Amino acid sequence: EVELLESGGGFAQPGGSLIFSCAASGFTFSSYAMSWVRQAPGKGLEWVSGISGSGSSTYYSDSVKGRFTISRDNSKNTLYLQINSLRVEDTAIYYCAKGSSGTYVKNYFDFWGQGTLVTVSS
Amino acid sequence: DIQMTQSPSTLSASVGDTVTITCRASQSISNSLAWYQHKPGKAPKLLIYKASSLESGAPSRFSGSGSGTEFTLTISSLQPDDFATYYCQQYNNYSPYTFGQGTKLEIK
Repeated sequence: EVELLESGGGFAQPGGSLIFSCAASGFTFSSYAMSWVRQAPGKGLEWVSGISGSGSSTYYSDSVKGRFTISRDNSKNTLYLQINSLRVEDTAIYYCAKGSSGTYVKNYFDFWGQGTLVTVSS
Repeated sequence: DIQMTQSPSTLSASVGDTVTITCRASQSISNSLAWYQHKPGKAPKLLIYKASSLESGAPSRFSGSGSGTEFTLTISSLQPDDFATYYCQQYNNYSPYTFGQGTKLEIK
């Protein structure tokens, strides 16, 4: 059974940094691309970053490019997202999502975690 | 970016009804479209991929159709568990992947 378990969210101040993780199980982690998708309060789903199965290719939405860093440790079956220069508008639930293939191209998301809440406020 | 527009934003229906949600893309995405169900506090769940393929484990009352720029999700014989928010997502262009704004299905 596929399981994705996010951790590490919490409260942070504008300008600060956070790093959170997603522990994966139930599938060959290195064989699949992964993504982070967020949902701000009262809003819909927004894809923010993705990474290929090997970790060699990374992708970001324009709204987070330069501040977010996605990475993965295939030996630990874990996906990471580091956010620098936090903004109030980064407040959201962050979901990790398993891609439908190993390459990043043309992926839909066939399994999702339950999310980790990030609150940015002064 | 490819814009995805869902309609309606909110839909009221009763158990046993059949409902249809529409998703339009700002440019052709072939059949690279997925539908998700999302309930508060839960992980989103994949229902349909490749516009019309039913994900393993998803109930057969969910069906999808369309290609190019116009797509529909139909839920037949609504069950109490179906009241949730539904999102479409295009994956033809990966930079970035984009979602519709969501359709909230409420009990009438």
